[in-house]
Amino acid sequence: NAGVTQTPKFRILKIGQSMTLQCAQDMNHNYMYWYRQDPGMGLKLIYYSVGAGITDKGEVPNGYNVSRSTTEDFPLRLELAAPSQTSVYFCASSYTSGGFNEQFFGPGTRLTVL
Amino acid sequence: AQKITQTQPGMFVQEKEAVTLDCTYDTSDQSYGLFWYKQPSSGEMIFLIYQGSYDEQNATEGRYSLNFQKARKSANLVISASQLGDSAMYFCAMTEPRAGGTSYGKLTFGQGTILTVHP
Repeated sequence: NAGVTQTPKFRILKIGQSMTLQCAQDMNHNYMYWYRQDPGMGLKLIYYSVGAGITDKGEVPNGYNVSRSTTEDFPLRLELAAPSQTSVYFCASSYTSGGFNEQFFGPGTRLTVL
Repeated sequence: AQKITQTQPGMFVQEKEAVTLDCTYDTSDQSYGLFWYKQPSSGEMIFLIYQGSYDEQNATEGRYSLNFQKARKSANLVISASQLGDSAMYFCAMTEPRAGGTSYGKLTFGQGTILTVHP
């Protein structure tokens, strides 16, 4: 199993540009999450999904959109990039949501907006 | 809203000694889960240990143990026999309280503690 994969690893955007961060998992997990990690800080939840076609906002959703058309893929869309979106983005997935629900994280995407 | 607090921005420990990383949490719910993750300089997130709020025994995983004090709302990570490879950022995290019996597994993270192991 590849686990959780994310592309790209690094990206530099200009203010106002858009991009999609890709996330895929091959563990047949229903639950998927997007977090962002600002320098020296903990992770904050952007969006999450409990299954194909079902998504909801997390703590910091402004400036982002998601979709979940398949169990495997959970892309994160940035529209009109701003310097405040400079961060490391992690995608994660888990099999269950209750009890011991270890979240498996992807390697992260480091995004810089200039 | 629930909150995780890690009050130690940085900790230093001598190789082969034990170290405790502090974590306190704030929740009004009775059912929740507590996690510790390790983030080395390479950036990936590595799961270390889990404690459920109803677990009577403190969780242990190899050299990692969790000192869970429910009344004090603390879930400190103890690393025994520290190794140079333990140098990393450590995050305490908590699942969202159940709403109507359903928890979506969303994690709230603390700000982290940077651990440096000296030879």
